[in-house]
Amino acid sequence: LQLQESGPGLVKASETLSLTCSVYGGSIISYEHYWAWVRQTPGGGLEWILSMFYSGSTYYNESLISRVTYSIDASKNQFSLTLKSVTAADAAVYYCVRVYGVAISETYVDTWGQGSPVTVSP
Amino acid sequence: QSVLTQPPSVSGAPGQRVTISCTGSGSNIGEGFNVHWYQQLPGTAPKLLIYDNINRPSGVPDRFSGSTSGTSASLAITGLQAEDEAVYYCQTYDSVGLTGSTVFGTGTSVTVL
Repeated sequence: LQLQESGPGLVKASETLSLTCSVYGGSIISYEHYWAWVRQTPGGGLEWILSMFYSGSTYYNESLISRVTYSIDASKNQFSLTLKSVTAADAAVYYCVRVYGVAISETYVDTWGQGSPVTVSP
Repeated sequence: QSVLTQPPSVSGAPGQRVTISCTGSGSNIGEGFNVHWYQQLPGTAPKLLIYDNINRPSGVPDRFSGSTSGTSASLAITGLQAEDEAVYYCQTYDSVGLTGSTVFGTGTSVTVL
């Protein structure tokens, strides 16, 4: 299974960031996996953004919930992330990942995308 | 800031044993949620190293081992090799808040002397 992010690379402050993840070599319809977004700041820290089950159950990082929306398109084997009102603090490498587990409290990332760097301009 | 604290760096000579701690609290590791570890080689995405506290995915050498105790977890690397030079992150679940959250450690850079 491979994951491939696509994104703008550069986004202006206060605008909206949109990222898409394409899933290759496996189906996004899975009963034992979630699909998620994780970002890594320039300082190296990893931050979980959200996890979504193909059927719609979604779990959010509460600090980002007001600015995040998501979608999942099983017909295209893709899922997406939208982050509104970006600031310099949102500059990071954004990874789409596959998360193994049924209970959200017992999940781990078993597959990572290569990452999509995002820079925020003034 | 992360709820899981790791030492910023550890180092060791080839062949030595190093350990990396991951200190949490009663709402995450102390509550019994499993801990997972990732290895991030320079310029690459993280890779799963240990899952469910002690298990190694296929292909991960048995030089890597995990353990938990109380509100902390540890990753041990025995027989340190040059290729182990990387940043290591722990991850678990934290029950604080309305729905809880997946949390990562602050990361530890391992240097092979």
